[in-house]
Amino acid sequence: AQTVTQSQPEMSVQEAETVTLSCTYDTSESDYYLFWYKQPPSRQMILVIRQEAYKQQNATENRFSVNFQKAAKSFSLKISDSQLGDAAMYFCAYRSARQAGTALIFGKGTTLSVSS
Amino acid sequence: NAGVTQTPKFQVLKTGQSMTLQCAQDMNHNSMYWYRQDPGMGLRLIYYSASEGTTDKGEVPNGYNVSRLNKREFSLRLESAAPSQTSVYFCATIPPRPSSNEQFFGPGTRLTVL
Repeated sequence: AQTVTQSQPEMSVQEAETVTLSCTYDTSESDYYLFWYKQPPSRQMILVIRQEAYKQQNATENRFSVNFQKAAKSFSLKISDSQLGDAAMYFCAYRSARQAGTALIFGKGTTLSVSS
Repeated sequence: NAGVTQTPKFQVLKTGQSMTLQCAQDMNHNSMYWYRQDPGMGLRLIYYSASEGTTDKGEVPNGYNVSRLNKREFSLRLESAAPSQTSVYFCATIPPRPSSNEQFFGPGTRLTVL
């Protein structure tokens, strides 16, 4: 069974600085998706960025980028130029692409605080 | 385009009461999912429906039932609520090849069982 591990329960960063959130996963599959979700205090689950395993190029979305290391099964999220609005819980998630209908598997989350 | 809607947003129940959480999506996806979120546990899958007419258990199905009413709607029922079911519940729908500009989750339901 696939698992997702986020080893940092809490992280902090100063405004305008860069922070990296870690995620590792375990799978025997070769075709899958990886996601980072942001959950602000409103509790809405917001998709931040997604990576397809067969693509070697790391995904980027504005200030958010990932470092995808397929062999190491590592998928970290880098937030550049951090803003107060980035403060939230961040979840890493895995989804197999092998079979239609498979669910997302989540890590336990990292709480990010941003200070001015 | 509403995406994924859930009702209610908040609910307080007494132990032993029943209720149904409603979820609807207008994204024309086949798959729908119910998750619960508890502090320190991330999101855990309760039940899912890979397509209309099918449902399967997830990681934590005990105490719940589901109905895939049609392609749009997927409801979660608590027959006899227990304090251990106090949680935030999310409905989601995810296509086979998810893009990065779609939001797949409903707004969540905060349920408290006294």
